[in-house]
Amino acid sequence: DGGITQSPKYLFRKEGQNVTLSCEQNLNHDAMYWYRQDPGQGLRLIYYSQIVNDFQKGDIAEGYSVSREKKESFPLTVTSAQKNPTAFYLCASSISWNTEAFFGQGTRLTVV
Amino acid sequence: KQEVTQIPAALSVPEGENLVLNCSFTDSAIYNLQWFRQDPGKGLTSLLLIQSSQREQTSGRLNASLDKSSGRSTLYIAASQPGDSATYLCAVKNSGGGADGLTFGKGTHLIIQP
Repeated sequence: DGGITQSPKYLFRKEGQNVTLSCEQNLNHDAMYWYRQDPGQGLRLIYYSQIVNDFQKGDIAEGYSVSREKKESFPLTVTSAQKNPTAFYLCASSISWNTEAFFGQGTRLTVV
Repeated sequence: KQEVTQIPAALSVPEGENLVLNCSFTDSAIYNLQWFRQDPGKGLTSLLLIQSSQREQTSGRLNASLDKSSGRSTLYIAASQPGDSATYLCAVKNSGGGADGLTFGKGTHLIIQP
């Protein structure tokens, strides 16, 4: 089945911990994105990558880090520097930067 | 900076009605506009993509229009069904600046009453 797989579906983080959210796609897409969704707000862009080994900060990159070592994988690390990490995180991909975007099923991160 | 607004924020209609969801954006320099559906606790499902050079796109009971010069798009849903209940999101890809992500509206929460 082709698509975008995010794992885990639910994640709990203790104060001061770093956690990594996984995003894998088998669509052979060059571009990948991470968004954050909070209640009552639109999705906001955290990081994006147009090609392997390259990525750029989005609108709310502080406290997050990413890597793009393989075309199919774009993991997001939520660091202890992110002061309010509780949110729904969505990964997306597209063939290129200006084509239709497809989304994964999301990871809900909760700080405990 | 691009801003996307969706009206209404919530809508409840009886089954079978035709309905229109609205989306407006402040900067007309867009490359395309995409409509998504989101079910509770789930990811986004792409419904329709309209390129800036197009006026409308259709998929089944859905029809999306785009008036780039006035900064508006509508999503028309014909013969609504309870299964259409979801949050509908509008997003634009800006053509100016870098090749970054989409700018989203906050969505319209739609309930179709059986």
